[in-house]
Amino acid sequence: SQKIEQNSEALNIQEGKTATLTCNYTNYSPAYLQWYRQDPGRGPVFLLLIRENEKEKRKERLKVTFDTTLKQSLFHITASQPADSATYLCALINTNAGKSTFGDGTTLTVKP
Amino acid sequence: DAGVTQSPTHLIKTRGQHVTLRCSPISGHKSVSWYQQVLGQGPQFIFQYYEKEERGRGNFPDRFSARQFPNYSSELNVNALLLGDSALYLCASSLAQGAGANYGYTFGSGTRLTVV
Repeated sequence: SQKIEQNSEALNIQEGKTATLTCNYTNYSPAYLQWYRQDPGRGPVFLLLIRENEKEKRKERLKVTFDTTLKQSLFHITASQPADSATYLCALINTNAGKSTFGDGTTLTVKP
Repeated sequence: DAGVTQSPTHLIKTRGQHVTLRCSPISGHKSVSWYQQVLGQGPQFIFQYYEKEERGRGNFPDRFSARQFPNYSSELNVNALLLGDSALYLCASSLAQGAGANYGYTFGSGTRLTVV
């Protein structure tokens, strides 16, 4: 079965810097990789997805890379702001089996 | 347009009881997925339903069951509750079974279940 590992330690950075979060996975099968943001007491909010044949995706200050050789995705937030403080989840979606596998998330704190 | 709505928002049950959680997807969304999220962990996939049929199932015991209605709303049922079932139960909707992969899932705010 698929397994996802994200940085277990919280990430603390200064406002204006770039935050980089890591997602490693095993037992890859045809899937899409998605990133979500989750605030305390709320459901995850979809941010970006990247397909297996794509290397990089951008949306405003967000950038996602997908390296199927390393079995790794990196999620970058440039020019970070305190409002970016949240838990970020990585998810592998297997459309063939109708299943999705989420990592445990990385908590990001951006200090002013 | 309303987002994904879940009810109730909070629930306290006694060990051994059963519980029914409800989810209304975004209008036009035909696929509903259920997840269990324990504090400090990511969401764990329980079920996916599309067009009233089960399309995917996670590694949960048979005490967990679900169904989808003709209006695409869904119920998650859990029988013989255990203390370990205490968690946030999330519902997510998407246009179609594969649409969640292409466009992302829209999650509700969840039902916080506490088993005592």
